[in-house]
Amino acid sequence: NAGVMQNPRHLVRRRGQEARLRCSPMKGHSHVYWYRQLPEEGLKFMVYLQKENIIDESGMPKERFSAEFPKEGPSILRIQQVVRGDSAAYFCASTRVKRGESTDTQYFGPGTRLTVL
Amino acid sequence: GENVGLHLPTLSVQEGDNSIINCAYSNSASDYFIWYKQESGKGPQFIIDIRSNMDKRQGQRVTVLLNKTVKHLSLQIAATQPGDSAVYFCPAGGYQKVTFGIGTKLQVIP
Repeated sequence: NAGVMQNPRHLVRRRGQEARLRCSPMKGHSHVYWYRQLPEEGLKFMVYLQKENIIDESGMPKERFSAEFPKEGPSILRIQQVVRGDSAAYFCASTRVKRGESTDTQYFGPGTRLTVL
Repeated sequence: GENVGLHLPTLSVQEGDNSIINCAYSNSASDYFIWYKQESGKGPQFIIDIRSNMDKRQGQRVTVLLNKTVKHLSLQIAATQPGDSAVYFCPAGGYQKVTFGIGTKLQVIP
């Protein structure tokens, strides 16, 4: 059973370009979280998605950032017109929230390290 | 806002000694607690979890203690090994939302 997959593992973009980060959850998982992590810092929650539905995007910047989790295919975190401050590691995690239970364990991918030149 | 804080940002432990990593939480509604380990350059990995109806849970070389009265939990690692060097997170959560803090960096001295 493959774990959470993220690609690319490393992404280099110039200021003003677009960055697309992909996350394929574990088999059987229908919920995805995206986090951002700066060096020597913790994980900052960005967005929580279910297939075809954004459940909580309270951690997403209001501009340039968007996320989706279509019925088919991976979840995508999209950053438009990147700036140097967007350089960070972006992790996604998937869960299989069980009916009637509270928060399920999140399984993390290896992350995408974005560098903006 | 964040509802999880950690007592010590960095902890240095001699190889073979026991490690204790502490964590405080503020949301008394939290009913599920997880410890994650993040090695350098990797994503966080699940170590052990505990629900609020328990006060202790043991795994392989790890024990988590939960004190709901003072909203505190700890992770104990027995016979710490170099491979235990990592940042440890203790997010607390309720339904569908888990909040991570800064983490505690564990350094194992050979």
